[in-house]
Amino acid sequence: GQNIDQPTEMTATEGAIVQINCTYQTSGFNGLFWYQQHAGEAPTFLSYNVLDGLEEKGRFSSFLSRSKGYSYLLLKELQMKDSASYLCAVRDGDYKLSFGAGTTVTVRA
Amino acid sequence: GAGVSQTPSNKVTEKGKYVELRCDPISGHTALYWYRQSLGQGPEFLIYFQGTGAADDSGLPNDRFFAVRPEGSVSTLKIQRTERGDSAVYLCASSLGGSGRKEQMFGPGTRLTVL
Repeated sequence: GQNIDQPTEMTATEGAIVQINCTYQTSGFNGLFWYQQHAGEAPTFLSYNVLDGLEEKGRFSSFLSRSKGYSYLLLKELQMKDSASYLCAVRDGDYKLSFGAGTTVTVRA
Repeated sequence: GAGVSQTPSNKVTEKGKYVELRCDPISGHTALYWYRQSLGQGPEFLIYFQGTGAADDSGLPNDRFFAVRPEGSVSTLKIQRTERGDSAVYLCASSLGGSGRKEQMFGPGTRLTVL
């Protein structure tokens, strides 16, 4: 089976940085995705890593180490609108995503 | 262009009834996926279509669940003899075919409540 672990909750202050870790043990690996999901809404795509290293996109960055089965999502210059659940998902074949349970990030003023 | 749309947004039904949930993918997306998300959990894969055919239905929990995509665009998830444990948000996603990134774009979901 697939095992994807991420912390349940994190709290940070507006303007700060938060790092959400994700570890995975899957039968295969063909890419790791991060999605943001606001309460009651659809998950929206944030980032994709398939090779080791850091991918940067504006205030969001995502890192992957395939040998360690590890990724993190870095959120910089936190804003109140960043309060949401962040989902780590591994694609182990050509299409199927296996998701972690999500990390709820709360940004405080 | 429009994103993935799903109807209805909410569905309340009684135990034992039949329900249909509809998904309209992004135009040009050949791949379509159904997921189920329970409270406090990530989405759980149900079924994947490439074109009109169900390429992988291994995530469907039992034979009460069935999905179709007859013309390779709109898809319908059908649940017979609903049970209280079927209550969840049913998410549909679509993506381009082929290899590479192919990120899945999700619809807003249908919240199903079985009383």
